[in-house]
Amino acid sequence: AQSVTQLDSHVSVSEGTPVLLRCNYSSSYSPSLFWYVQHPNKGLQLLLKYTSAATLVKGINGFEAEFKKSETSFHLTKPSAHMSDAAEYFCVVSDPPEAGNNRKLIWGLGTSLAVNP
Amino acid sequence: EPEVTQTPSHQVTQMGQEVILRCVPISNHLYFYWYRQILGQKVEFLVSFYNNEISEKSEIFDDQFSVERPDGSNFTLKIRSTKLEDSAMYFCASSEPGRGGSEAFFGQGTRLTVV
Repeated sequence: AQSVTQLDSHVSVSEGTPVLLRCNYSSSYSPSLFWYVQHPNKGLQLLLKYTSAATLVKGINGFEAEFKKSETSFHLTKPSAHMSDAAEYFCVVSDPPEAGNNRKLIWGLGTSLAVNP
Repeated sequence: EPEVTQTPSHQVTQMGQEVILRCVPISNHLYFYWYRQILGQKVEFLVSFYNNEISEKSEIFDDQFSVERPDGSNFTLKIRSTKLEDSAMYFCASSEPGRGGSEAFFGQGTRLTVV
Protein backbone atom coordinates (compact mmCIF):
# COMPACT_ATOMS: atom_id res chain seq x y z
CA ALA A 1 0.00 0.00 0.00
CA GLN A 2 1.10 3.52 -0.63
CA SER A 3 1.88 5.91 2.15
CA VAL A 4 3.67 9.18 2.63
CA THR A 5 5.29 10.50 5.79
CA GLN A 6 6.35 14.08 6.14
CA LEU A 7 8.73 14.04 9.04
CA ASP A 8 8.18 17.62 10.21
CA SER A 9 4.83 19.28 10.69
CA HIS A 10 6.43 22.72 11.11
CA VAL A 11 9.74 24.10 9.87
CA SER A 12 10.98 27.59 10.63
CA VAL A 13 13.96 29.15 8.86
CA SER A 14 15.45 32.59 8.51
CA GLU A 15 15.29 34.40 5.21
CA GLY A 16 18.34 33.59 3.11
CA THR A 17 19.07 30.27 4.83
CA PRO A 18 18.56 26.79 3.32
CA VAL A 19 15.25 24.96 3.44
CA LEU A 20 14.90 21.21 3.96
CA LEU A 21 11.47 19.58 4.06
CA ARG A 22 11.65 15.85 4.58
CA CYS A 23 9.46 13.19 3.00
CA ASN A 24 9.55 9.40 3.06
CA TYR A 25 7.26 7.18 1.05
CA SER A 26 6.34 3.56 0.65
CA SER A 27 5.07 1.88 -2.48
CA SER A 28 5.14 -1.59 -3.99
CA TYR A 29 5.77 -0.10 -7.42
CA SER A 30 7.98 2.54 -8.95
CA PRO A 31 5.91 5.52 -7.96
CA SER A 32 5.75 9.06 -9.14
CA LEU A 33 6.40 11.63 -6.47
CA PHE A 34 5.29 15.22 -6.27
CA TRP A 35 5.62 18.25 -4.07
CA TYR A 36 2.67 20.63 -3.99
CA VAL A 37 2.55 24.01 -2.28
CA GLN A 38 -0.47 25.74 -0.83
CA HIS A 39 -0.20 29.40 0.06
CA PRO A 40 -2.73 30.82 2.51
CA ASN A 41 -6.20 30.92 1.00
CA LYS A 42 -4.89 29.64 -2.32
CA GLY A 43 -5.21 26.40 -4.24
CA LEU A 44 -2.67 23.64 -4.69
CA GLN A 45 0.24 24.34 -6.99
CA LEU A 46 2.69 21.78 -8.29
CA LEU A 47 6.28 22.58 -7.32
CA LEU A 48 7.97 19.63 -8.96
CA LYS A 49 7.53 15.98 -9.86
CA TYR A 50 9.62 12.84 -10.19
CA THR A 51 8.52 10.28 -12.77
CA SER A 52 11.44 7.83 -13.11
CA ALA A 53 13.75 10.08 -15.08
CA ALA A 54 16.53 12.10 -13.42
CA THR A 55 16.64 11.54 -9.68
CA LEU A 56 17.39 15.20 -8.98
CA VAL A 57 14.36 17.19 -9.96
CA LYS A 58 14.26 20.94 -10.30
CA GLY A 59 11.03 22.78 -9.77
CA ILE A 60 9.67 26.28 -9.70
CA ASN A 61 10.87 29.07 -7.42
CA GLY A 62 14.31 27.54 -6.91
CA PHE A 63 13.10 24.35 -5.23
CA GLU A 64 14.51 20.95 -5.99
CA ALA A 65 14.11 17.43 -4.67
CA GLU A 66 16.16 14.28 -4.88
CA PHE A 67 14.63 10.84 -5.25
CA LYS A 68 16.60 8.28 -3.24
CA LYS A 69 15.17 4.83 -3.75
CA SER A 70 17.49 3.19 -1.22
CA GLU A 71 16.22 5.56 1.46
CA THR A 72 12.66 5.79 0.09
CA SER A 73 12.97 9.52 0.44
CA PHE A 74 12.07 12.56 -1.63
CA HIS A 75 13.23 15.55 0.40
CA LEU A 76 12.55 19.08 -0.82
CA THR A 77 15.31 21.67 -0.64
CA LYS A 78 16.00 25.27 -1.53
CA PRO A 79 19.39 26.96 -1.04
CA SER A 80 18.03 30.28 0.17
CA ALA A 81 14.58 30.88 1.63
CA HIS A 82 12.50 33.86 0.66
CA MET A 83 9.66 35.38 2.65
CA SER A 84 7.25 34.41 -0.13
CA ASP A 85 8.10 30.72 0.43
CA ALA A 86 6.06 30.68 3.63
CA ALA A 87 3.30 28.17 2.90
CA GLU A 88 2.12 24.61 3.43
CA TYR A 89 4.04 21.97 1.49
CA PHE A 90 2.69 18.54 0.64
CA CYS A 91 4.60 15.48 -0.46
CA VAL A 92 2.47 13.23 -2.66
CA VAL A 93 2.91 9.75 -4.10
CA SER A 94 1.13 8.15 -7.02
CA ASP A 95 1.53 4.60 -8.27
CA PRO A 96 1.91 3.85 -12.01
CA PRO A 97 -1.12 2.74 -14.04
CA GLU A 98 -0.27 -0.96 -13.69
CA ALA A 99 -0.89 -0.67 -9.95
CA GLY A 100 -4.57 -0.21 -10.69
CA ASN A 101 -4.94 2.73 -8.32
CA ASN A 102 -6.30 4.98 -11.04
CA ARG A 103 -3.49 7.48 -10.51
CA LYS A 104 -4.89 8.36 -7.11
CA LEU A 105 -2.69 10.76 -5.21
CA ILE A 106 -1.77 9.88 -1.65
CA TRP A 107 -0.92 12.93 0.41
CA GLY A 108 1.35 13.55 3.32
CA LEU A 109 0.05 15.56 6.25
CA GLY A 110 1.92 18.63 5.12
CA THR A 111 4.76 20.74 6.46
CA SER A 112 4.14 24.32 7.38
CA LEU A 113 7.12 26.45 6.43
CA ALA A 114 7.66 29.74 8.25
CA VAL A 115 10.30 32.16 7.00
CA ASN A 116 11.53 34.70 9.51
CA PRO A 117 13.03 38.04 8.49
CA GLU B 1 -1.79 28.31 -19.74
CA PRO B 2 -4.72 25.92 -19.37
CA GLU B 3 -6.12 25.59 -15.89
CA VAL B 4 -8.80 23.86 -13.89
CA THR B 5 -11.52 26.22 -12.74
CA GLN B 6 -13.90 25.69 -9.86
CA THR B 7 -17.06 27.53 -8.93
CA PRO B 8 -18.11 28.87 -6.56
CA SER B 9 -15.04 29.78 -4.56
CA HIS B 10 -17.05 29.75 -1.36
CA GLN B 11 -20.41 28.14 -0.63
CA VAL B 12 -22.36 28.42 2.58
CA THR B 13 -25.26 26.04 3.00
CA GLN B 14 -27.61 24.87 5.72
CA MET B 15 -27.32 21.37 7.07
CA GLY B 16 -29.50 18.98 5.11
CA GLN B 17 -29.42 21.01 1.92
CA GLU B 18 -28.04 19.77 -1.37
CA VAL B 19 -24.98 21.42 -2.89
CA ILE B 20 -23.35 21.09 -6.27
CA LEU B 21 -19.72 22.00 -6.67
CA ARG B 22 -18.66 22.69 -10.22
CA CYS B 23 -15.39 22.16 -12.01
CA VAL B 24 -14.18 22.67 -15.55
CA PRO B 25 -11.16 20.41 -16.09
CA ILE B 26 -8.47 21.03 -18.68
CA SER B 27 -9.98 20.23 -22.06
CA ASN B 28 -7.79 17.34 -23.25
CA HIS B 29 -7.62 15.62 -19.88
CA LEU B 30 -9.40 12.33 -19.38
CA TYR B 31 -8.98 11.63 -15.66
CA PHE B 32 -10.89 13.67 -13.15
CA TYR B 33 -10.76 13.73 -9.37
CA TRP B 34 -12.27 15.27 -6.31
CA TYR B 35 -10.27 15.71 -3.12
CA ARG B 36 -11.20 17.44 0.07
CA GLN B 37 -9.28 19.05 2.89
CA ILE B 38 -10.95 19.55 6.22
CA LEU B 39 -9.45 22.51 8.03
CA GLY B 40 -6.20 21.49 9.68
CA GLN B 41 -6.22 18.00 8.21
CA LYS B 42 -4.63 16.28 5.27
CA VAL B 43 -5.89 16.34 1.72
CA GLU B 44 -8.09 13.26 1.21
CA PHE B 45 -9.01 11.47 -1.97
CA LEU B 46 -12.73 11.25 -2.64
CA VAL B 47 -13.26 9.89 -6.12
CA SER B 48 -11.69 9.41 -9.52
CA PHE B 49 -13.64 9.44 -12.78
CA TYR B 50 -12.63 8.10 -16.18
CA ASN B 51 -14.53 7.22 -19.32
CA ASN B 52 -17.77 8.56 -17.91
CA GLU B 53 -17.77 6.43 -14.82
CA ILE B 54 -16.33 6.30 -11.36
CA SER B 55 -13.07 4.37 -11.43
CA GLU B 56 -12.38 4.51 -7.72
CA LYS B 57 -13.91 6.02 -4.62
CA SER B 58 -12.84 6.28 -1.02
CA GLU B 59 -14.76 5.33 2.12
CA ILE B 60 -15.65 8.99 2.51
CA PHE B 61 -17.55 8.94 -0.78
CA ASP B 62 -20.76 7.41 0.51
CA ASP B 63 -24.27 7.50 -0.91
CA GLN B 64 -24.59 11.20 -0.09
CA PHE B 65 -22.03 11.98 -2.76
CA SER B 66 -22.28 11.72 -6.52
CA VAL B 67 -20.29 12.95 -9.49
CA GLU B 68 -21.33 13.71 -13.00
CA ARG B 69 -19.93 14.98 -16.25
CA PRO B 70 -23.16 16.32 -17.67
CA ASP B 71 -22.02 18.04 -20.84
CA GLY B 72 -18.48 16.99 -21.73
CA SER B 73 -16.86 19.98 -20.08
CA ASN B 74 -18.17 20.34 -16.55
CA PHE B 75 -17.41 17.86 -13.79
CA THR B 76 -19.65 18.21 -10.76
CA LEU B 77 -19.69 16.93 -7.21
CA LYS B 78 -23.09 16.74 -5.56
CA ILE B 79 -23.65 16.32 -1.86
CA ARG B 80 -27.25 15.31 -1.40
CA SER B 81 -27.87 16.20 2.21
CA THR B 82 -25.01 18.12 3.73
CA LYS B 83 -23.76 17.50 7.25
CA LEU B 84 -21.67 19.76 9.44
CA GLU B 85 -18.69 17.49 8.94
CA ASP B 86 -18.83 18.07 5.18
CA SER B 87 -17.41 21.53 5.78
CA ALA B 88 -14.08 21.51 3.97
CA MET B 89 -12.14 22.77 1.01
CA TYR B 90 -13.01 20.71 -2.04
CA PHE B 91 -10.46 20.46 -4.82
CA CYS B 92 -11.11 19.27 -8.33
CA ALA B 93 -8.20 17.93 -10.37
CA SER B 94 -7.62 16.53 -13.82
CA SER B 95 -4.80 14.72 -15.54
CA GLU B 96 -4.02 13.69 -19.07
CA PRO B 97 -3.73 10.11 -20.32
CA GLY B 98 -0.42 8.34 -20.70
CA ARG B 99 1.93 6.12 -18.82
CA GLY B 100 3.81 7.15 -15.75
CA GLY B 101 2.79 9.64 -13.16
CA SER B 102 0.79 12.24 -14.91
CA GLU B 103 0.70 15.52 -13.14
CA ALA B 104 -2.67 16.34 -11.66
CA PHE B 105 -3.71 19.94 -12.17
CA PHE B 106 -5.78 21.35 -9.36
CA GLY B 107 -8.38 24.05 -9.26
CA GLN B 108 -8.37 26.80 -6.67
CA GLY B 109 -10.88 24.91 -4.57
CA THR B 110 -14.37 25.54 -3.25
CA ARG B 111 -14.65 26.24 0.44
CA LEU B 112 -17.87 24.63 1.64
CA THR B 113 -19.26 25.77 4.95
CA VAL B 114 -22.22 23.86 6.36
CA VAL B 115 -24.09 25.69 9.11
